Amino acid sequence: DGGITQSPKYLFRKEGQNVTLSCEQNLNHDAMYWYRQDPGQGLRLIYYSQIVNDFQKGDIAEGYSVSREKKESFPLTVTSAQKNPTAFYLCASTLDPGANYGYTFGSGTRLTVV
Amino acid sequence: QQQVKQSPQSLIVQKGGISIINCAYENTAFDYFPWYQQFPGKGPALLIAIRPDVSEKKEGRFTISFNKSAKQFSLHIMDSQPGDSATYFCAASIGAGNMLTFGGGTRLMVKP
Repeated sequence: DGGITQSPKYLFRKEGQNVTLSCEQNLNHDAMYWYRQDPGQGLRLIYYSQIVNDFQKGDIAEGYSVSREKKESFPLTVTSAQKNPTAFYLCASTLDPGANYGYTFGSGTRLTVV
Repeated sequence: QQQVKQSPQSLIVQKGGISIINCAYENTAFDYFPWYQQFPGKGPALLIAIRPDVSEKKEGRFTISFNKSAKQFSLHIMDSQPGDSATYFCAASIGAGNMLTFGGGTRLMVKP
């Protein structure tokens, strides 16, 4: 079955640590996105990538970094500069950024600072 | 700046009733308006979507109504069922780039 796989499902980070969230898709989708979800605030865009080796900042990119070395992979690193990283992180992809096919989402990673 | 405002934040409906969730947008360049359904611990899934050239779209028990002049759109769930209990997000995007701007979400509970 095609889809988006996010791992791990749960992640705990100590203060000052960098952690990396994995996002892999086998849908042959061109564009990939990272969203952060906090209660009552909907989904906020962190980073997005429309093609390999290219990505852009979203609305809340500070304290995060990404890479897009392969079409199917778009990992997100939460750095120690992110002051409040506890949240539910969602990765999404879409086939053609200009055609509005809608997003396919992964099942998310819940990150908690301990 | 919140470009898509969604209301209510939470909604309780009796089984068989109609659930109505409203969204308002500011950017007149938006031309794609999807709704997503999210169950706890899962990612959102596309439920139904509409473009501004139509005023209504229906898929089964789910209907989107769109009012371009008022810059508003709404989701109606007819004959609501306990299995519809989830969080619903409206969203909007401009064609090129396809970046979705999401509303704040509505947590729907359908009581048996």
